[in-house]
Amino acid sequence: DAGVIQSPRHEVTEMGQEVTLRCKPISGHNSLFWYRQTMMRGLELLIYFNNNVPIDDSGMPEDRFSAKMPNASFSTLKIQPSEPRDSAVYFCASSLASPYGYTFGSGTRLTVV
Amino acid sequence: QKEVEQNSGPLSVPEGAIASLNCTYSDRGSQSFFWYRQYSGKSPELIMSIYSNGDKEDGRFTAQLNKASQYVSLLIRDSQPSDSATYLCAVNPSGGGADGLTFGKGTHLIIQP
Repeated sequence: DAGVIQSPRHEVTEMGQEVTLRCKPISGHNSLFWYRQTMMRGLELLIYFNNNVPIDDSGMPEDRFSAKMPNASFSTLKIQPSEPRDSAVYFCASSLASPYGYTFGSGTRLTVV
Repeated sequence: QKEVEQNSGPLSVPEGAIASLNCTYSDRGSQSFFWYRQYSGKSPELIMSIYSNGDKEDGRFTAQLNKASQYVSLLIRDSQPSDSATYLCAVNPSGGGADGLTFGKGTHLIIQP
């Protein structure tokens, strides 16, 4: 099992540019979650999907953020346009639809300059 | 607003002693509870889950849950330097893995050799 795979591992971009983060969940997991982690705010849930359907996006900070899950093995989180305050580590996690915890990916460290 | 509170630390414990980490949560309807360990620069890793009142033991780790007091704790026996990390408490209000976990900001644990 390769685990949850995220790309890229690091992203440095200029303010105003579009950023796309990618995630491949564990095969067979039907729930996928996007989190953002900063020192000040900790881990914040941005959005989650069940069976490829977005269930709750109330954590998405602004309309600049969007997420898609076109199939069971792929999801993207897009920020357009990016701003310096978006700098954080973005984690993707997946789980079975049962009372088990998540498995996290390695994260993408985003720096917007 | 669902909240999970942890003392940020650092909590310093001598090697071989018991480390005690605490967490309180605001949503009285919460059903499942998790402890994650996060090493610096790494992703969170699930170490314990607990769903009913009382104690649950797994090796050197014991999770304790008191729903009446809305309190979860993690005990680490025979602490080792490799246990030095940030420990995140997470709460799932529905009891299923299909909903988003709310995380505390974590307690930084230091095991002194």
